[in-house]
Order: sequence, then C-alpha cells, then structure tokens
Amino acid sequence: SQQGEEDPQALSIQEGENATMNCSYKTSINNLQWYRQNSGRGLVHLILIRSNEREKHSGRLRVTLDTSKKSSSLLITASRAADTASYFCATAIQGAQKLVFGQGTRLTINP
Amino acid sequence: DTEVTQTPKHLVMGMTNKKSLKCEQHMGHRAMYWYKQKAKKPPELMFVYSYEKLSINESVPSRFSPECPNSSLLNLHLHALQPEDSALYLCASSQLLDFTTYEQYFGPGTRLTVT
Repeated sequence: SQQGEEDPQALSIQEGENATMNCSYKTSINNLQWYRQNSGRGLVHLILIRSNEREKHSGRLRVTLDTSKKSSSLLITASRAADTASYFCATAIQGAQKLVFGQGTRLTINP
Repeated sequence: DTEVTQTPKHLVMGMTNKKSLKCEQHMGHRAMYWYKQKAKKPPELMFVYSYEKLSINESVPSRFSPECPNSSLLNLHLHALQPEDSALYLCASSQLLDFTTYEQYFGPGTRLTVT
C-alpha cells in the first residue's frame, strides 16, 4: 500500500478561509516534503521538513511533523483562488533513494 | 535559472512508433528523474540518474529506455507502447541524490497519448 495517505481527498472552501491537509506515512523518514500541482502541470516544491523538526513556516504555509504519530499537516492561511490545486506530501524514506508521494488532496478555493 | 524544460508538451503516437521525450535543466543538478502520472493519481517513479549513471530502475518495461547524454539532458525513448502507457510524463532534477536535504524541481510534463 502507499507510504503516504492524505486526508481529505478533496477539500472545497471559500476564499479567505484556512485550508488544512493531513498526511500519514508508515516507515521511518529522513524528511517530508509538500508539493503543489496545478491541473495537468508539473509539481512545485512548497516546503521540506526534516525528521528532527516539528514545525516550519513559509509565507502563508505552515507545516507540522509528528514522527511519533507518523503524520504531517499542511496549513494554508488566508486562501486565495490561485491556491486551487492538488497538494501532495512526499516522504524520503530512510535507506531508500527516492521520494514516495501520497495520493494527494484536491483543494478548490471558491471566490 | 530554476527551470526544468520538457519537450514536446503533447505527443500522440501509435503502438508501432518510436519517439523520444526530452528534458533539460541548467541548474547544475546531478540527479535527474522520470516519473509517470495517471489522471488523479500521484507521480510514480520510473528512473533515477545520478551523475549521468542509472541509479534506480523501478522495474519499468523495456519499451521505455532512458538515456542521460550529459549532466543537463535526460531523454526517454519510447517504442512499441501500449494504450495503458498514456499518461503525463514528468521529469525532475535535484542538486544531489540526497534526500536529507534536497527538494526536486519538476518540468511541466509531456502529455502522452498512445493510440
């Protein structure tokens, strides 16, 4: 089964509201990364949090990591229509030379 | 320049055709990747090159043949594909093959349709 499971699969909110997406994983990781993908386009790296970090901020993004629960969350504050996209978590598994992507959350921001 | 470019943007090919996808980056990255992505699914890793040498092949069928002619270029040669190979093919690069530190930069992808 997939290393990364994301919740919810789809999220629709009003512009200006906050959006929270969650990611759970199964094995020990070196770091966890979040990427955004606009429809049919390439992925854009948003933020990387290392296994020894608990929280990280970048602009309107806030990421938390709880290694004891093997979970992470991405919070987007004051959402904008341009934030409409799919968001993927990706785990860098210890001992493996690759990223494994979660199933993704499709976020829709309604004007 | 923090851009990964991919050509072509769209490709339609028959099952007997031979075609190639091209990826280029000028960021000095020494790791390059091919991913396959089906609709509403996450990217799936196909190949990884590190310092122009194939590092990972995720048991990809031989009808997909990767090539890394130099540190800036990555090709994916396609031959005798099946309709189920239709997907978005994404190229990515990272500074090094070190997942403790480096994020991946993705190209816009090639939308492949096999008829």
